[in-house]
Amino acid sequence: GNSVTQMEGPVTLSEEAFLTINCTYTATGYPSLFWYVQYPGEGLQLLLKATKADDKGSNKGFEATYRKETTSFHLEKGSVQVSDSAVYFCAPGGTGMRQLTFGSGTQLTVLP
Amino acid sequence: DTGVSQNPRHKITKRGQNVTFRCDPISEHNRLYWYRQTLGQGPEFLTYFQNEAQLEKSRLLSDRFSAERPKGSFSTLEIQRTEQGDSAMYLCASSLALNEQYFGPGTRLTVT
Repeated sequence: GNSVTQMEGPVTLSEEAFLTINCTYTATGYPSLFWYVQYPGEGLQLLLKATKADDKGSNKGFEATYRKETTSFHLEKGSVQVSDSAVYFCAPGGTGMRQLTFGSGTQLTVLP
Repeated sequence: DTGVSQNPRHKITKRGQNVTFRCDPISEHNRLYWYRQTLGQGPEFLTYFQNEAQLEKSRLLSDRFSAERPKGSFSTLEIQRTEQGDSAMYLCASSLALNEQYFGPGTRLTVT
């Protein structure tokens, strides 16, 4: 089955700092790749996705590029805000999108 | 589109009791998934349905767990003879065919 290695947290940044959260995966075939975000006290929300190699997913200033050669899908944002404080999960989809395999999550705290 | 809803949001039960959770997916979504999330971890896949058919079950889904999706609409997850190790957040997600999954707010189970 699939597996995910995600950058361990917690990560603490100052507002307007650059963010990178590393994610590498092992999977059969070429799965769709997702980043989900979980704000305090809330459910998982889809942040962005990429469905094939070299695709770049983007949303709310966050970006991630599907790198087939390095099996990576690193999350980046040029200037974080306090409101970005949350837990971020990387997740490849299974064959035929039967299921998602989640990493352990990276806790991000942004200080004003 | 009202999103995925789950009931109850919180459940406290005594060890050995049975509990049942309900998930209402986004209307017209034909796929429905159940995941379990423990504190500090990412969600783990339990099972999924395509319409009313349960197509895959994780090894995590012991024989004390059963899920149904009658008529391909809402789903229920029942845990019989609950154990303290069953304490977790139970998440439901739905998707349309092979597209991204949308999550509900979860049901937090505490077994005392």
